[in-house]
Amino acid sequence: SAVISQKPSRDICQRGTSLTIQCQVDSQVTMMFWYRQQPGQSLTLIATANQGSEATYESGFVIDKFPISRPNLTFSTLTVSNMSPEDSSIYLCSVAEGASNQPQHFGDGTRLSIL
Amino acid sequence: QKEVEQNSGPLSVPEGAIASLNCTYSDRGSQSFFWYRQYSGKSPELIMFIYSNGDKEDGRFTAQLNKASQYVSLLIRDSQPSDSATYLCAGKATYNTDKLIFGTGTRLQVFP
Repeated sequence: SAVISQKPSRDICQRGTSLTIQCQVDSQVTMMFWYRQQPGQSLTLIATANQGSEATYESGFVIDKFPISRPNLTFSTLTVSNMSPEDSSIYLCSVAEGASNQPQHFGDGTRLSIL
Repeated sequence: QKEVEQNSGPLSVPEGAIASLNCTYSDRGSQSFFWYRQYSGKSPELIMFIYSNGDKEDGRFTAQLNKASQYVSLLIRDSQPSDSATYLCAGKATYNTDKLIFGTGTRLQVFP
């Protein structure tokens, strides 16, 4: 499966600031996704990153708070804007190759703490 | 609201035993199911996926799918302490074939 590099691996940020997380894949992939995993919780999909167009956001997530870019088939970024302590979480990039029924594989995640 | 449900556990089994992890789903139209293993502090790792009714085996792992009962399970034979982790069940929603709905996960503890 594709090798997924996500950075930073962790960060501690001040409230009110923004952080951009990068996801780089070593091969072209059809689908890229961004998830959030809050402490002790399961994974919640934030959005599907669409190449060359606006991301598709899930209920409860908005572009102003979580702007996403996907300029090509191997790279995407997620920005967490105007952070508050409630944004402290692990943010995960996942990718799916080929046909739509292929399994998703996850990057190592970004552990974000907001002070 | 489409849901995937799992018992949070912990499920404790002795080394060498069979661990049985279960998952139910509410979306009768879901076609694909995935099992991920997540060690503490790590990201989810794909273990198995299953699309058809019946059993699918891969080494010590067997995934079972019963669409009539809306039930998915993962069996781990000859459980090892290194299998201790949280196991996440995920189903692919029918209204968007690319979106995964995750269960809350079952924590498995294998003791020597």
